[in-house]
Amino acid sequence: EIVMTQSPATLSVSPGERATLSCRASQSVSSNLAWYQQKPGQAPRLLIYGASTRATGISARFSGSGSGTEFTLTISSLQSEDFAVYYCQQYNNWPPLTFGGGTKVEIK
Amino acid sequence: QVHLVQSGAEVKKPGSSVKVSCKASGGTFSSHAISWVRQAPGQGLEWMGGIIPIYGTTNYAQKFQGRVTITADESTSTTYMELSSLRSEDTAVYNCAKGSGGYDRPLDFWGQGTLVTVSA
Repeated sequence: EIVMTQSPATLSVSPGERATLSCRASQSVSSNLAWYQQKPGQAPRLLIYGASTRATGISARFSGSGSGTEFTLTISSLQSEDFAVYYCQQYNNWPPLTFGGGTKVEIK
Repeated sequence: QVHLVQSGAEVKKPGSSVKVSCKASGGTFSSHAISWVRQAPGQGLEWMGGIIPIYGTTNYAQKFQGRVTITADESTSTTYMELSSLRSEDTAVYNCAKGSGGYDRPLDFWGQGTLVTVSA
């Protein structure tokens, strides 16, 4: 099973600032990596797939990079609606599909 | 645009079973993998297993093998997840999610979630 590790667990950022979230896989997942955003009481929403491709309707503020075992999600200028929990997920080796533990982006 | 609608909240006794449904509308359903992902209170996301309805083939996480059964009814575009031998640790929100293809694709649409509470 591939273990996904996200850091930091919590990120405090001021509106308008940049946020950088990290995700590490215990072995290579190539570019088969997705990022999801989850707000309280809501289901996760797909943001990025293929490590760097934005899903339909996702703002250009969100960008993803990386391959192999190291990945990054960057939010260029945080808006109020971006404060949420973000999860990475690998879909290269399954079963099982595996998720990181999440990074909570909170208002500083 | 695919829309996934799940059945309502459930309260179950320890040792019993629960069956949650997920009905798809608005797009291709049968040839895409439908996964079930659960989230315990205040915790992260955990993949339980999935099914490709057109084939009826299933994959399960080892943790849930023997306790979870995922089925699909193509005629109604509905997927079901049944979890047996419930214990308090199974209290969670259970989500269905559609892959944009097989399991080697991201989960592009999600159901609204179904809260299952296990309590004596």
